[in-house]
Amino acid sequence: DGGITQSPKYLFRKEGQNVTLSCEQNLNHDAMYWYRQDPGQGLRLIYYSQIVNDFQKGDIAEGYSVSREKKESFPLTVTSAQKNPTAFYLCASSTPDRVGGYTFGSGTRLTVV
Amino acid sequence: DAKTTQPPSMDCAEGRAANLPCNHSTISGNEYVYWYRQIHSQGPQYIIHGLKNNETNEMASLIITEDRKSSTLILPHATLRDTAVYYCIIEPAGGYQKVTFGTGTKLQVIP
Repeated sequence: DGGITQSPKYLFRKEGQNVTLSCEQNLNHDAMYWYRQDPGQGLRLIYYSQIVNDFQKGDIAEGYSVSREKKESFPLTVTSAQKNPTAFYLCASSTPDRVGGYTFGSGTRLTVV
Repeated sequence: DAKTTQPPSMDCAEGRAANLPCNHSTISGNEYVYWYRQIHSQGPQYIIHGLKNNETNEMASLIITEDRKSSTLILPHATLRDTAVYYCIIEPAGGYQKVTFGTGTKLQVIP
């Protein structure tokens, strides 16, 4: 079955360490996105990529970095510059015209202690 | 981008229709209305979308007013598994603009 895989589901890191969240899709979607969700809040866009080797900042990109070397993969690095990294991170993908909307992964819950 | 307004929470009795409203009074002519739902600690799931005509699929129906300033998502026979947060978002038909998922409507289906 086609879909998006995020790993790991739970991640714990010490303050000051960089951490990379994985996102892989086999839907042949061109566009991929990273969102952050805090408790009781909506989703905020961190970064998005519409094609390989190109990506743009979303609304809350500070302290995060991404790469898009392959169509299937869009990893997110949470750097030590991110002041409040503890959150639920969601990856999504879509076709350029977003017929059928976004397909989301099951998320990674990052806890920084 | 058009912004949306949804009630923060609603209750619905199991087996009854759940009608979830969304106001989007600043929607442009080429913008679609999309609905998603998020069950606790999972990624949002696409439900349905529409431009100006009413739409129906196996999950739900979408009713868009003639002036397109509001819409209603209808779950015809709500079950306990429909308990979730429902998001209404607006997206342009072509190209990509940053999309905001607000806090949505928390639907509680009651036995």
